[in-house]
Amino acid sequence: DAKTTQPPSMDCAEGRAANLPCNHSTISGNEYVYWYRQIHSQGPQYIIHGLKNNETNEMASLIITEDRKSSTLILPHATLRDTAVYYCIVRKTSYDKVIFGPGTSLSVIP
Amino acid sequence: DAGVIQSPRHEVTEMGQEVTLRCKPISGHDYLFWYRQTMMRGLELLIYFNNNVPIDDSGMPEDRFSAKMPNASFSTLKIQPSEPRDSAVYFCASSTRRDRVHNSPLHFGNGTRLTVT
Repeated sequence: DAKTTQPPSMDCAEGRAANLPCNHSTISGNEYVYWYRQIHSQGPQYIIHGLKNNETNEMASLIITEDRKSSTLILPHATLRDTAVYYCIVRKTSYDKVIFGPGTSLSVIP
Repeated sequence: DAGVIQSPRHEVTEMGQEVTLRCKPISGHDYLFWYRQTMMRGLELLIYFNNNVPIDDSGMPEDRFSAKMPNASFSTLKIQPSEPRDSAVYFCASSTRRDRVHNSPLHFGNGTRLTVT
């Protein structure tokens, strides 16, 4: 699996959009970008994934650059409950293992 | 869907004792994963199973750790003998293969917090 690079921490004001970046410059053509988050003391939770098109679901939007070397997870209206560690992972969907890096610790501030 | 169920939620034991952690995956999921999380090392994949068969145990730290999956609805992670450095949160996760190519995302349980004194 390709490696990812994320900032260790970020702050966001409540009600504002939270934009979490991820670099994956060595991603290969058949690898997807996945995002999970982990709220304190809970297990990680799947958020969204994509290949090359932008994706949106009820939780977030995923913007992938045209060269696929980076992506941004967008939480459109951050709430205090979005305070968590966010993990960006690249993997082939047929690949069984999911390896987590250190992620980004997002703090949503009132 | 009850999700992935782990037990116990908390376990406190003394060094040298045997510890058994339990996991019930989501019904119909054919992949099961055991992870360990510490502040120092983050989330580490210990072992995973497909159709009850261990596929990759390269993350198991040493022979004191063993995992079994006797059937599709139950798995155990055993530590014998336990040591203080085994203190961590242990997560179980499950997933399934949607089709020939695609695996579903992982679904995690809420973990077991193990403290070895």
